[in-house]
Amino acid sequence: EDQVTQSPEALRLQEGESSSLNCSYTVSGLRGLFWYRQDPGKGPEFLFTLYSAGEEKEKERLKATLTKKESFLHITAPKPEDSATYLCAVPSGGYQKVTFGTGTKLQVIP
Amino acid sequence: GAVVSQHPSWVICKSGTSVKIECRSLDFQATTMFWYRQFPKQSLMLMATSNEGSKATYEQGVEKDKFLINHASLTLSTLTVTSAHPEDSSFYICSSTTGEETQYFGPGTRLLVL
Repeated sequence: EDQVTQSPEALRLQEGESSSLNCSYTVSGLRGLFWYRQDPGKGPEFLFTLYSAGEEKEKERLKATLTKKESFLHITAPKPEDSATYLCAVPSGGYQKVTFGTGTKLQVIP
Repeated sequence: GAVVSQHPSWVICKSGTSVKIECRSLDFQATTMFWYRQFPKQSLMLMATSNEGSKATYEQGVEKDKFLINHASLTLSTLTVTSAHPEDSSFYICSSTTGEETQYFGPGTRLLVL
């Protein structure tokens, strides 16, 4: 059974304190890995798609990387507005279906 | 691009009534849409896959007679929660793809059943 595990469950950072979120996955035949940001009471906002090990993508203070077993979302010098829950997901279970991790709730304190 | 909208954003209803939630793809045609529900502090759980012009495919454990899905056009899918009860209170989110595997999500609908 395909599984996606995210850690830590929650992370509290001071503004400017860089860190990384982890997404470990077990899937048969990886077809990609997605990162989303979800604010309270809103739907997930798409951030990145990674397709192969070694691939990296960046957007402002975020950089996503992918290996054969896990993905990292690096946050450089975060700001309070980066506070959100970050979800990763992999295609799984059928055409265009995905399996989500449980998310990492990030809080950045001014 | 890839904008998905939902209406209403929140709804409060009495137990036993039915509630319809609309999901629209605003700038692309969506042959497939997905419906999720999310309980507080939990991740998204797929309820069903909605295919334009055909019957929806429901995930195991989801009652198809309670959660009616209609995907009548390439830009609109609706989810009707029939005879809603307090345990149906949740956050319902739809998504769609543009043909690739990346899903784009709507803003969600908060349902509260009294």
